[in-house]
Amino acid sequence: GQSLEQPSEVTAVEGAIVQINCTYQTSGFYGLSWYQQHDGGAPTFLSYNGLDGLEETGRFSSFLSRSDSYGYLLLQELQMKDSASYFCAVEDAGNMLTFGGGTRLMVKP
Amino acid sequence: EPEVTQTPSHQVTQMGQEVILRCVPISNHLYFYWYRQILGQKVEFLVSFYNNEISEKSEIFDDQFSVERPDGSNFTLKIRSTKLEDSAMYFCASSEPPGLKTRDTQYFGPGTRLTVL
Repeated sequence: GQSLEQPSEVTAVEGAIVQINCTYQTSGFYGLSWYQQHDGGAPTFLSYNGLDGLEETGRFSSFLSRSDSYGYLLLQELQMKDSASYFCAVEDAGNMLTFGGGTRLMVKP
Repeated sequence: EPEVTQTPSHQVTQMGQEVILRCVPISNHLYFYWYRQILGQKVEFLVSFYNNEISEKSEIFDDQFSVERPDGSNFTLKIRSTKLEDSAMYFCASSEPPGLKTRDTQYFGPGTRLTVL
């Protein structure tokens, strides 16, 4: 099976940089995805890492180290609208996503 | 921009009743999924569907559940004899055909909130 660990809550101020870590234990690994979910909303895809290294998409970047079973999501130039829950999710070869428990990010003025 | 749609947005039902949740995936996608999220908890995988058959399912997806693609656009989740613990948000998702890098991106619909009384 799969298990993922990420912090339950992170607080940061507007304009700052925040890093959300994710460690995983898996019986099958294809890639690591990150999703954003606002309260009452659907998960929205942010980033995907299939290979080691950094993927950058605007203010968001994601990193993966397969040898360490570790990844992170980096959010730069935080805005109030970034307040949401962020989930890492492991994808197996069969396309199944196993989500972590989510990190609630609160951005303060 | 194409998106996954789901109906209804909210379904209230009595325990023991059957419900059908409907989804219209993005038109050129070939992989379809159902997930659920109990209030305040993480998103949990239920089932994936490809080429008119189930490709993977979780232990949550027992005989109470079934999926169907009744036509070229809809994808449904049926829950027979609903239980109180089935109350959750149910998300449909879809992804592109295999072999493309963006296959790894699953696009989620807005969800159906199921309340079992």
